[in-house]
Amino acid sequence: DIVMTQSPDSLAVSLGERATINCKSSQSVLYSSNNKNYLAWYQQKPGQPPKLLIYWASTRESGVPDRFSGSGSGTDFTLTISSLQAEDVAVYYCQQYYSTPQVTFGPGTKVDIK
Amino acid sequence: QVQLVQSGAEVKKPGASVKVSCKASGYTFTSYDINWVRQATGQGLEWMGWMNPNSGNTGYAQKFQGRVTMTRNTSISTAYMELSSLRSEDTAVYYCAREDDSSPAFDIWGQGTMVTVSS
Repeated sequence: DIVMTQSPDSLAVSLGERATINCKSSQSVLYSSNNKNYLAWYQQKPGQPPKLLIYWASTRESGVPDRFSGSGSGTDFTLTISSLQAEDVAVYYCQQYYSTPQVTFGPGTKVDIK
Repeated sequence: QVQLVQSGAEVKKPGASVKVSCKASGYTFTSYDINWVRQATGQGLEWMGWMNPNSGNTGYAQKFQGRVTMTRNTSISTAYMELSSLRSEDTAVYYCAREDDSSPAFDIWGQGTMVTVSS
């Protein structure tokens, strides 16, 4: 199985400041035949199901604010919230779907307001 | 609008089975794979398996092999996940999720079904 790790476990950022979350996979999730990274990011607020933010490591889902961006390739990825808003308080998960249909999620990173 | 609506909360005794439903609306049910993911309280997301609603083909995480069965009824656009031999560690919120048509990520999620296993 591909194991996903995330850092930090939690972070607190002032409103309007940048938040950065890292995700690492135990093996590359870059598929050479199409040069795509099989990596997604989700946001989960308390009492709600996860919401898809980013897929193919850097493509924003329709309707997701452009303050959310994804980057990285191979085994190392980053989710950046460029200017944290109060409504961004949530837990963020990365997910690999390289081994689809067998997918695995990272353990999550909790984002709070400082 | 596109949505997945799940059945209500369940309380089961150890050793029993539970069957959770996931009704799709707003799109062609047979055109998108359905996955099941669970989340214990305060914990992360755990993928359980997937089903192709058109063919009925399924694939399960090794951890749940032999205990989980995913089925569907295409006439009512509903997917089902049945978990047997329940134990306390199965207490969790169970989600169904649709695979995106742009990638294998999960773009639409059900609201979740709380399953509590307690004697």
